Amino acid sequence: EAQVTQNPRYLITVTGKKLTVTCSQNMNHEYMSWYRQDPGLGLRQIYYSMNVEVTDKGDVPEGYKVSRKEKRNFPLILESPSPNQTSLYFCASNTMGRPLSYEQYFGPGTRLTVT
Amino acid sequence: ILNVEQSPQSLHVQEGDSTNFTCSFPSSNFYALHWYRWETAKSPEALFVMTLNGDEKKKGRISATLNTKEGYSYLYIKGSQPEDSATYLCAFNSGGSNYKLTFGKGTLLTVNP
Repeated sequence: EAQVTQNPRYLITVTGKKLTVTCSQNMNHEYMSWYRQDPGLGLRQIYYSMNVEVTDKGDVPEGYKVSRKEKRNFPLILESPSPNQTSLYFCASNTMGRPLSYEQYFGPGTRLTVT
Repeated sequence: ILNVEQSPQSLHVQEGDSTNFTCSFPSSNFYALHWYRWETAKSPEALFVMTLNGDEKKKGRISATLNTKEGYSYLYIKGSQPEDSATYLCAFNSGGSNYKLTFGKGTLLTVNP
C-alpha cells in the first residue's frame, strides 16, 4: 500500500530535549516536505527536499533541521525544542518531474507537546 | 511569504444544499493550485491540482475552477452530504525557482443532516 508514515504519532517532551520525528514514504517520491499546523494559522511549510541531499527552507524553518540521506526518509529534527513548537506536524511527499503539479500525499500527523 | 486567502472561514449548510467557496492567490506568477480535503483527526487528502487558466476539474459531486489571470479558484459541492463535512484547503505554488507550497487557512464546512 502506498503510504507516508510518521513516528511517533504523539509526543510530550520538555524544553531543550532534542527529538527527531521520522518520516518515510514507499512511493519512490523525490519531493518531501514538512508542515506544521496551528489553530488559526493553517498549514505552514517548514522544510522541503527535492531529492537526496537537496533540502531547502520553507516559510517557518527556525528551530528545525532536516536531512535527506535516503530517498524514502526525511526526518525532522528539533535540536532544542521550545513550547512554541507545540503543534501538529505533517510530512508529505509527491513525485518529481515538476513536483508541485502533482498532489501531495500526507502522513498521519505527529502531535507534539513541548512543556 | 505569499498570501493565499480562503473564504468563507466557515460555512454551515443543510444536507442537499449546494455550496461553494473561494481561494484567492497572487495572480502575478502562477504555477499550480491544489485543493485538499481535511477531515478531523485525519490527514489532508488531495482533491485536485490545477495548472492551466480555465481548468475545470470534477470528482463526483465536487468540482473546481481556476482563473489565474484574476487569481482565484472556486470549489463547488453539489448536493452536500454530512460526510462532506471537513476543512477544505487550497495551496499555491508560483513556479520558477520556487518549490514551496503555500496553504490558505481553509474553509470549514459543516453539513447538517
